[in-house]
Amino acid sequence: ETGVTQSPTHLIKTRGQQVTLRCSSQSGHNTVSWYQQALGQGPQFIFQYYREEENGRGNFPPRFSGLQFPNYSSELNVNALELDDSALYLCASSLVGLAGNEQFFGPGTRLTVL
Amino acid sequence: GNSVTQMEGPVTLSEEAFLTINCTYTATGYPSLFWYVQYPGEGLQLLLKATKADDKGSNKGFEATYRKETTSFHLEKGSVQVSDSAVYFCALTIIQGAQKLVFGQGTRLTINP
Repeated sequence: ETGVTQSPTHLIKTRGQQVTLRCSSQSGHNTVSWYQQALGQGPQFIFQYYREEENGRGNFPPRFSGLQFPNYSSELNVNALELDDSALYLCASSLVGLAGNEQFFGPGTRLTVL
Repeated sequence: GNSVTQMEGPVTLSEEAFLTINCTYTATGYPSLFWYVQYPGEGLQLLLKATKADDKGSNKGFEATYRKETTSFHLEKGSVQVSDSAVYFCALTIIQGAQKLVFGQGTRLTINP
């Protein structure tokens, strides 16, 4: 069973640029969530995708957008990067359903905005 | 709203000491509760969970009991090891359209030999 994978591992961008982060779900999972973890903080929910549609969003502006593909992999896109976007971006996959269902996390992508 | 508050860190203990990391929550409805652990340079791993009041989650010697009356989910371990050094996150999950996790700020634990 393959776990959640993310690419790239690290990324450096400059302010105003655009970035795409990628995530492959764990086998058998149909839901992908993205979280932003600033240094020294807990992860913050960005959004979740189920059946290729966004089905919930946290307090993030529209320049944060995403996609889910038929094979349940996902992308997170961030436009017009700001310095405060520097963070670890975590992808998590799960089976939609009960609140007790575990979300399995990938290792994250470390984004630095200069 | 929904929120999680953890005890302030960092926490430093000697090997074989008793560990408690406090966690309280505020939630509408009946959340499930989780403890996640993050080792240096890695993503989050589920440590244990409880899905209803009075449930006890346990794993690798760690335990936490879902206390509805005190809205708490404190993490405990009787004898810590150097390998337990990590950042620990308490979290709740709610379903509001999406099933989203709400995390506390994390507690950094360092165990000295």
